[in-house]
Amino acid sequence: SQQGEEDPQALSIQEGENATMNCSYKTSINNLQWYRQNSGRGLVHLILIRSNEREKHSGRLRVTLDTSKKSSSLLITASRAADTASYFCATTSRNQAGTALIFGKGTTLSVSS
Amino acid sequence: EPEVTQTPSHQVTQMGQEVILRCVPISNHLYFYWYRQILGQKVEFLVSFYNNEISEKSEIFDDQFSVERPDGSNFTLKIRSTKLEDSAMYFCASYERPNEQFFGPGTRLTVL
Repeated sequence: SQQGEEDPQALSIQEGENATMNCSYKTSINNLQWYRQNSGRGLVHLILIRSNEREKHSGRLRVTLDTSKKSSSLLITASRAADTASYFCATTSRNQAGTALIFGKGTTLSVSS
Repeated sequence: EPEVTQTPSHQVTQMGQEVILRCVPISNHLYFYWYRQILGQKVEFLVSFYNNEISEKSEIFDDQFSVERPDGSNFTLKIRSTKLEDSAMYFCASYERPNEQFFGPGTRLTVL
């Protein structure tokens, strides 16, 4: 089954605006994480939210988790051109014994100055 | 700040050839992973490795793939006989604390 599907697939905004990306998943999770990937580069861990948490902040990032709706959102406030990247949510499922991350397809964010 | 490194950054090979992708995880990490990302698609889990053995693998990780930790620092992914569909970015990751994986910059594998 698909896990961690983000929307929108692509988002274009102006510098200074806020960017909101959403992620939905299907199975029960231990936690949900957001990663950033600059074009052609590796994945950078942004933030982790546990299944018993509802909201978490880190700098300009705000993540929410609604386990009843099996969804999460990532808000980037006051966006900058340097925030241009792809953003992925990733989950570890309670249904599996291991700790492999299951990624969504990502949202491509473009911030223009 | 410690980081995961991978070599080479780009590998071009002919179909049917063997390739070895190398990773140096962060030194005090105990859990190691390989993921791949076909161009334009999502990142997919391949295999995890702990205590010198495979702890988990996906359906993608068939007999053509193998992993090894030949010494105290390197972690390798070998593809025995590459296929065109093996062309992808391959990411190594490691972690010390559960569920915060640190990813390397990736190796772009191109199979011709």
